[in-house]
Amino acid sequence: GENVEQHPSTLSVQEGDSAVIKCTYSDSASNYFPWYKQELGKRPQLIIDIRSNVGEKKDQRIAVTLNKTAKHFSLHITETQPEDSAVYFCAASKRGSGNTGKLIFGQGTTLQVKP
Amino acid sequence: EAQVTQNPRYLITVTGKKLTVTCSQNMNHEYMSWYRQDPGLGLRQIYYSMNVEVTDKGDVPEGYKVSRKEKRNFPLILESPSPNQTSLYFCASSIAGPRANVLTFGAGSRLTVL
Repeated sequence: GENVEQHPSTLSVQEGDSAVIKCTYSDSASNYFPWYKQELGKRPQLIIDIRSNVGEKKDQRIAVTLNKTAKHFSLHITETQPEDSAVYFCAASKRGSGNTGKLIFGQGTTLQVKP
Repeated sequence: EAQVTQNPRYLITVTGKKLTVTCSQNMNHEYMSWYRQDPGLGLRQIYYSMNVEVTDKGDVPEGYKVSRKEKRNFPLILESPSPNQTSLYFCASSIAGPRANVLTFGAGSRLTVL
């Protein structure tokens, strides 16, 4: 079945630096790749997503890139702030016919931004 | 306010004592699902439902049951809980169609089985 590997498991950066989290997926039929942020004790919340017909998407300080050939996608956070500290999950899914809404999640990355 | 509501939020129980975690959404979403979150494993789907009376197994269904008698409700039933079901559980819902993969999560239910 589909598998999503996420690295690193923990990441510590200084405030203002950039952070990059990488994921690889196994199923070439996957075509939708969301990223969720989970603050301590809270529910996962969607922060950005990308579809397979797009190579990059940006939203202010966050961006996601997708390499379909290599089956890699990454989350980039620039100018990190302490409030970016959280657990980040990547996921892969299939849109279109037969879509059950199921997401396959990576293992999560705990990001710590030091003031 | 559009939301997914889970109860209880915290529960400590003992092995073998049946329990139910309720989930309700007020967005008229067709799709609902249950995930469990464990350290180092991310979130894994337990069961999902695409509409009333339509349910199917996810990746880790053993030891769980679900039902979908009404569109808004999707309870998770542990008939005979065991310690390996100690976990953080999330209910999620989404609308059918192109945005079926855009999930709205409940606040989570932390279950401890002794």
